[in-house]
Amino acid sequence: GDSVTQMEGPVTLSEEAFLTINCTYTATGYPSLFWYVQYPGEGLQLLLKATKADDKGSNKGFEATYRKETTSFHLEKGSVQVSDSAVYFCALGSSNTGKLIFGQGTTLQVKP
Amino acid sequence: GAGVSQSPRYKVAKRGQDVALRCDPISGHVSLFWYQQALGQGPEFLTYFQNEAQLDKSGLPSDRFFAERPEGSVSTLKIQRTQQEDSAVYLCASSSGRLAGAYEQYFGPGTRLTVT
Repeated sequence: GDSVTQMEGPVTLSEEAFLTINCTYTATGYPSLFWYVQYPGEGLQLLLKATKADDKGSNKGFEATYRKETTSFHLEKGSVQVSDSAVYFCALGSSNTGKLIFGQGTTLQVKP
Repeated sequence: GAGVSQSPRYKVAKRGQDVALRCDPISGHVSLFWYQQALGQGPEFLTYFQNEAQLDKSGLPSDRFFAERPEGSVSTLKIQRTQQEDSAVYLCASSSGRLAGAYEQYFGPGTRLTVT
């Protein structure tokens, strides 16, 4: 069945460091891919999405490119801030089904 | 506008009690989802409604779990005879799309259920 695998955390970085959180997927068909973020004490929020191969999603300085050849959707940011500290979830959604399938989440801690 | 709201935000139940969790989706959103999130894990799909029709309930873990959306807006997730393994955060999400997996889902704050 469809699945998503994320790199394990926690990831601890200093402010202004470069961030990569790896995400790979297994899916039949042509899923859409999403990154969601959960800030402390808040609900899940959509960070960015890509709906087809080679699409790049971007928001708030974060980017991820839908790579069909490597079945990956890695999240990157060039310069993280303390306010980026949160749990990040990679997810896939098939147009054939209603559900999102999530990875296990990666905790990011950014220190000043 | 208003986002997805859920109530109660916290619920403590004794083992064997029945609980009902409510979700108010974004107005006009056709699709509604329930997910279960265990501590330190990603959300896992429970069930999906398109308007009032329950199109997928493959993720419901047992027949103690039941969901409804009778008028195509508010939804209730009911858990009968709660067990300790039911302790989790229950998330509701809604989406404007009918092919819901391709559209972003907007999540509520969740209901944290603790079964003692």
